[in-house]
Amino acid sequence: DVKVTQSSRYLVKRTGEKVFLECVQDMDHENMFWYRQDPGLGLRLIYFSYDVKMKEKGDIPEGYSVSREKKERFSLILESASTNQTSMYLCASSFVGSSQHFGDGTRLSIL
Amino acid sequence: GIQVEQSPPDLILQEGANSTLRCNFSDSVNNLQWFHQNPWGQLINLFYIPSGTKQNGRLSATTVATERYSLLYISSSQTTDSGVYFCAVSGTYKYIFGTGTRLKVLA
Repeated sequence: DVKVTQSSRYLVKRTGEKVFLECVQDMDHENMFWYRQDPGLGLRLIYFSYDVKMKEKGDIPEGYSVSREKKERFSLILESASTNQTSMYLCASSFVGSSQHFGDGTRLSIL
Repeated sequence: GIQVEQSPPDLILQEGANSTLRCNFSDSVNNLQWFHQNPWGQLINLFYIPSGTKQNGRLSATTVATERYSLLYISSSQTTDSGVYFCAVSGTYKYIFGTGTRLKVLA
């Protein structure tokens, strides 16, 4: 069974901090994705990666960066956290042309 | 970009009832998935169904790609079916999610 693991289920940080959210998948998937989910706005794509060291901006990349140094790991970085980045963050992975599998999500609060 | 519309936005059912959820999309797609988000926020894969029909227990789905819609059928609903159902489509890598159907099943 596919396993996508996000490093934290809940996280509380302060404004201005640099925040790292980690995601690891165990299925050798080429594609990995970071979304955020907000009430009334649904799931929005922040960044995705289709190979090691390759990344593409999604719909809302401002204020975020990503890193994919190894195939199984995709990190989301909030360079200087702000309160409007309080949200649920979801990581997913997939083979090309196949179904996405999601982690359990990280509820991030920026105080 | 591709637009995805789901209907109805909200649905309340009595346990044991059947329901049909709809997903319309505005352009041809190569990938289509249905998900269930449970009350704990976990997104569970239901179907990967860019075309055709699939069944899994009480759930089934049909996608008519030429007419740009997909249907999710829930039969004999149970309280554990409550949550939000999302449709997501993509042409290549980038998935677009609908805003979901919020389902509540009453005991």
